[in-house]
Amino acid sequence: SQTIHQWPATLVQPVGSPLSLECTVEGTSNPNLYWYRQAAGRGLQLLFYSVGIGQISSEVPQNLSASRPQDRQFILSSKKLLLSDSGFYLCAWSNGRDTGELFFGEGSRLTVL
Amino acid sequence: GENVEQHPSTLSVQEGDSAVIKCTYSDSASNYFPWYKQELGKGPQLIIDIRSNVGEKKDQRIAVTLNKTAKHFSLHITETQPEDSAVYFCAASEYSSASKIIFGSGTRLSIRP
Repeated sequence: SQTIHQWPATLVQPVGSPLSLECTVEGTSNPNLYWYRQAAGRGLQLLFYSVGIGQISSEVPQNLSASRPQDRQFILSSKKLLLSDSGFYLCAWSNGRDTGELFFGEGSRLTVL
Repeated sequence: GENVEQHPSTLSVQEGDSAVIKCTYSDSASNYFPWYKQELGKGPQLIIDIRSNVGEKKDQRIAVTLNKTAKHFSLHITETQPEDSAVYFCAASEYSSASKIIFGSGTRLSIRP
């Protein structure tokens, strides 16, 4: 069966520090991978998605970047965190045929102080 | 682009009663409407979805209805139980594409014992 792992689960970082959130998927190959941010009362906002190694699409301009160094690994990064980057970040995958269902990780709560 | 509005933002119902969550969408090209449930501390999980070629779909105690003319769809939960307490998200997309899914802002459902 397929599983998705996301870490760290919680993170407290000072303004201006770097960020790295990592996500890996097991039990499937060639998945589409996604990073979402969940803000209170604002639903789930798609930040990045990837259909293959090295292929990243950005949905909103921001202080963050994403990379996919391996087929089942997706990384969310920042060189310098802003207060506004605080939030709950979710990694997800869907099958390569893009048939709709998203499978989410358990999320990473980032607090920038 | 697509815009999905969801109401209410919070809902409290007595155990055993029914709960209804409503969503509207703006893009008439949308034809796939999933509902996700997010339990505390976890990522969202798909619970039911409906495509535009049907008006209603049921799965045990949950049902979803779709009115394409009015561009709204609803989630109905009957005989609510404590484990139904969660945040529910509606969403809409074109061609069932996960990368194009637009989520509503979420409804926090609480079941009173």
